[in-house]
Amino acid sequence: ETGVTQSPTHLIKTRGQQVTLRCSSQSGHNTVSWYQQALGQGPQFIFQYYREEENGRGNFPPRFSGLQFPNYSSELNVNALELDDSALYLCASSLDPIRELFFGEGSRLTVL
Amino acid sequence: QQQVKQSPQSLIVQKGGISIINCAYENTAFDYFPWYQQFPGKGPALLIAIRPDVSEKKEGRFTISFNKSAKQFSLHIMDSQPGDSATYFCAAIGNQGGKLIFGQGTELSVKP
Repeated sequence: ETGVTQSPTHLIKTRGQQVTLRCSSQSGHNTVSWYQQALGQGPQFIFQYYREEENGRGNFPPRFSGLQFPNYSSELNVNALELDDSALYLCASSLDPIRELFFGEGSRLTVL
Repeated sequence: QQQVKQSPQSLIVQKGGISIINCAYENTAFDYFPWYQQFPGKGPALLIAIRPDVSEKKEGRFTISFNKSAKQFSLHIMDSQPGDSATYFCAAIGNQGGKLIFGQGTELSVKP
């Protein structure tokens, strides 16, 4: 059984660019959640996808968008990158929206 | 009302000692309270979790104590080891799933 995998692990972008982060959920999990973790802070909820539909969204602007595919993998897209978007982006999967979350290692985004 | 407040921010304990981390919440709709352990450069890993119908849960050296009336819960690490040195996050989620709310984190250092 493979765990949650994320790619890329590290990336550097400049202000105004766009980025796509990818996540493969743990086998058997149909729910994927995305979190942003700034340095020294707890993870902040961005949004959750359950069976390809958005199932809740945190306090993030519309330039943060996502997708979930039929195989339950997911993408996080961020447009018009800002310096404050620099953070560790975590993907977590679960059996369903109310079960335990299992996190990947994260994608470290640096915006210059 | 959506916050989870965690203390202390940092903690230094001698090997063999007891580490205690406290959390408090406001939202009475929360009904699942996990603790996550995070090592530098890694994603959070689920350590132990509790639901409010029990006052204590123990798994090995890790114990959660839950006080529903006070809306507080705590993590106790018995016989703390240098390998326990990590950042610990408490979290809470409601029975509708979706948004897992994290505390601010406690950086634990266990000295040999």
